[in-house]
Amino acid sequence: AQTVTQSQPEMSVQEAETVTLSCTYDTSESDYYLFWYKQPPSRQMILVIRQEAYKQQNATENRFSVNFQKAAKSFSLKISDSQLGDAAMYFCAYGNILTGGGNKLTFGTGTQLKVEL
Amino acid sequence: ETGVTQSPTHLIKTRGQQVTLRCSSQSGHNTVSWYQQALGQGPQFIFQYYREEENGRGNFPPRFSGLQFPNYSSELNVNALELDDSALYLCASSPGLAGAYEQFFGPGTRLTVL
Repeated sequence: AQTVTQSQPEMSVQEAETVTLSCTYDTSESDYYLFWYKQPPSRQMILVIRQEAYKQQNATENRFSVNFQKAAKSFSLKISDSQLGDAAMYFCAYGNILTGGGNKLTFGTGTQLKVEL
Repeated sequence: ETGVTQSPTHLIKTRGQQVTLRCSSQSGHNTVSWYQQALGQGPQFIFQYYREEENGRGNFPPRFSGLQFPNYSSELNVNALELDDSALYLCASSPGLAGAYEQFFGPGTRLTVL
């Protein structure tokens, strides 16, 4: 079974600074997807960024980028120019393909990000 | 475009009772997944439905069951409620079975079992 580990329960960053959230995972599969989701206090989970395991190029979405190290099974999220609205719980998720197709997400325990003025 | 909606928002039940949670998928989405998120934890996969058929199931007992309807809305039923079933239940929809598809989450139903 796949496992996802987020070793930082809480992180703090100053507004406009850069922060990196760590994630490692364990799998024997070669084809999978990785995701970072954000869950603000409103509870609605929002996709931040996704990475296909077969792609060597790291995904980027505006101020959000990842450092995907497949051999090390590491998938960290970098947030540049942090904003107050970035404060939330961030979950790293591993998506493995179900037998019938489709994606089953396995989540880590989350990192609570605080953004300070 | 209407997003994923869930009802009710909050629910209180007693141990041994049965509960039904409902989810309306985003327009155009035919795949629905359910997750259980205990306090302070990440969501755990319960099962997934695709075009009214169960497409995969996580490590949950048979008292957790589901349905998907022709309009792709879905229900999660839990029988014989236990205290440990207290959690936030999240529904997520996607436009198909491709692994790259994003799952769009609803706001969740907070279930409290007393």
